[in-house]
Amino acid sequence: EFQLLESGGGLVPPGGSLRLSCAASGFTFGSSAMSWVRQAPGTGLEWVSTISGRGGSSFYADSVEGRFTISRDNSRNTLYLQMNSLRPEDTAVYYCAKDPPGQGATPYFFDFWGQGTLVTVSS
Amino acid sequence: EIVLTQSPGTLSLSPGERATLFCRASQRVSSGFLAWYQQKPGQAPSLLIYGASSRATGIPDRFSGSGSGTDFTLTISRLEPEDFAVYYCQQYANSRTFGQGTKVEIK
Repeated sequence: EFQLLESGGGLVPPGGSLRLSCAASGFTFGSSAMSWVRQAPGTGLEWVSTISGRGGSSFYADSVEGRFTISRDNSRNTLYLQMNSLRPEDTAVYYCAKDPPGQGATPYFFDFWGQGTLVTVSS
Repeated sequence: EIVLTQSPGTLSLSPGERATLFCRASQRVSSGFLAWYQQKPGQAPSLLIYGASSRATGIPDRFSGSGSGTDFTLTISRLEPEDFAVYYCQQYANSRTFGQGTKVEIK
């Protein structure tokens, strides 16, 4: 059974930093590209970032490029999102989501999602 | 960027009725690289349909997807009480973008 468990969310002032983690189990972690998708309160879904299975390729939405960094530790089955220079508009639930295995760095659909962690950027 | 526009914004129906949800892309979505997700309140999204028309594992056959090019449809043949939720389309032909969602509510 797939499991994705996010952690690290919380309240942070504008300009601050936060690091999110996503612990994975139930599948071969290194075989799947992994992503972060966010959802601001009462709104829809926004893709944030994706990293390939081996970590050699990463992609970002324009809204976070240069401020957020995605990474992964396949030995720990863990995905990360380092968020710097946070803005109030970054306030959202951040979901960790996996691609089906074997798709490399090609954009794909998300076949499983974690339950999310809430990030609130406010003074 | 491919922009997806979903319609209607809200669909008010009764259990047992048929639901038809639309997703229109600003440019052609090649190879039918379109997925549909269901999201219930307080829960994460879950995959329903990928490749425009393939049901994900465990999805009942009352859910069906169709379409190509720029116009896609999700149909729920007979609404069950657990189907009242928000539905999102997502394209993966060029990066990844989502539609704004359609809420299916009980009439």
